[in-house]
Amino acid sequence: DGGITQSPKYLFRKEGQNVTLSCEQNLNHDAMYWYRQDPGQGLRLIYYSQIVNDFQKGDIAEGYSVSREKKESFPLTVTSAQKNPTAFYLCASSSQALGNTEAFFGQGTRLTVV
Amino acid sequence: DQQVKQNSPSLSVQEGRISILNCDYTNSMFDYFLWYKKYPAEGPTFLISISSIKDKNEDGRFTVFLNKSAKHLSLHIVPSQPGDSAVYFCAASVAGTASKLTFGTGTRLQVTL
Repeated sequence: DGGITQSPKYLFRKEGQNVTLSCEQNLNHDAMYWYRQDPGQGLRLIYYSQIVNDFQKGDIAEGYSVSREKKESFPLTVTSAQKNPTAFYLCASSSQALGNTEAFFGQGTRLTVV
Repeated sequence: DQQVKQNSPSLSVQEGRISILNCDYTNSMFDYFLWYKKYPAEGPTFLISISSIKDKNEDGRFTVFLNKSAKHLSLHIVPSQPGDSAVYFCAASVAGTASKLTFGTGTRLQVTL
């Protein structure tokens, strides 16, 4: 089945450590996105990529890094510079076809800093 | 600056009645609007969308209305069912930005028996 897979579902990190969240899609979508959800704040865009080997900062990119070496994969690294990393992280993808299309989301990764 | 606003954090509706969820936006460049439904600890799932060239789009029990002059859209669910209980997010995008979405803060809908 086509879809977006995020792993792991739950992740614990010690303060000061970097951690990488995985996102893989087999929908043949060109664009991929990382969002963060905090209670009462909706979803905020961290990074997005519209094509392989290219990505742009979203609204809250500080303390995060990404790579897009393959069309199917868009991993997110939460660095020690991110002050409040505990959150629910969502990866999404969408087609770049003409006209607006909806984004499809993965099941999310809950990151907890201990 | 919150460009997409959902001013009602929660809504309770009886089963069989109409649920109306509201959303306001400030960026006049937005021209495509979507509603997503989200259960706890899961990713959002797409529900329905509307382009700015339309003022209404219907899909089964779900209808989205867009009032461009008021920068307001609403989602109507008729009739409401217990399985509709979830958090609903309004989202908007600008033409040419693929699906780079700006989300509202969500409205938690509870459908009671």
